Amino acid sequence: GAVVSQHPSWVICKSGTSVKIECRSLDFQATTMFWYRQFPKQSLMLMATSNEGSKATYEQGVEKDKFLINHASLTLSTLTVTSAHPEDSSFYICSASGGLAEEGEQFFGPGTRLTVL
Amino acid sequence: DAKTTQPTSMDCAEGRAANLPCNHSTISGNEYVYWYRQIHSQGPQYIIHGLKNNETNEMASLIITEDRKSSTLILPHATLRDTAVYYCIVSREETSGSRLTFGEGTQLTVNP
Repeated sequence: GAVVSQHPSWVICKSGTSVKIECRSLDFQATTMFWYRQFPKQSLMLMATSNEGSKATYEQGVEKDKFLINHASLTLSTLTVTSAHPEDSSFYICSASGGLAEEGEQFFGPGTRLTVL
Repeated sequence: DAKTTQPTSMDCAEGRAANLPCNHSTISGNEYVYWYRQIHSQGPQYIIHGLKNNETNEMASLIITEDRKSSTLILPHATLRDTAVYYCIVSREETSGSRLTFGEGTQLTVNP
């Protein structure tokens, strides 16, 4: 299957700082990328959907000014958590669709664990 | 998207078949059944999906009832590495990638 990478795999930051997480599709062109968040012992929650070259569509309750998503190319999407606070500590996972994927299939990255002190 | 109901947890002996049920009684005609799994602290992995016919691939088989209100994922010979949370998701199939709504899933534990 196709490979999706995320960088960094984990990050610790101070409250009030901004953190950028990268999501790359390594061997295919991802027309659509998705960002999820997962708190401990909970399921994944979709945050936003982004299509290359257009603005991301955010799920209800997700602040678009706090979670900035950029999908500038078919292989890269970034999520920036601005002015992070301890409650933003979570496991952030991206997924990508397109290329080798079957209709509707998504390839997930390994996740980024964010800890805000 | 239609809601799904899965058992919270299941156990299976190594080498035996694991049968994971899912109820999706409100599924509509253009919605597919997707199965993903998530091994602890990793990103989810696609397993299989189908509309109304049974499907099989190298990982698993998907059996969908005739009325499409329920389905069963079958791992024919479970191994310890199949221990994971299994998610049954109902969604429309989109060429640009389906919007997936994850429920609580089933924690499958494969025992030696």
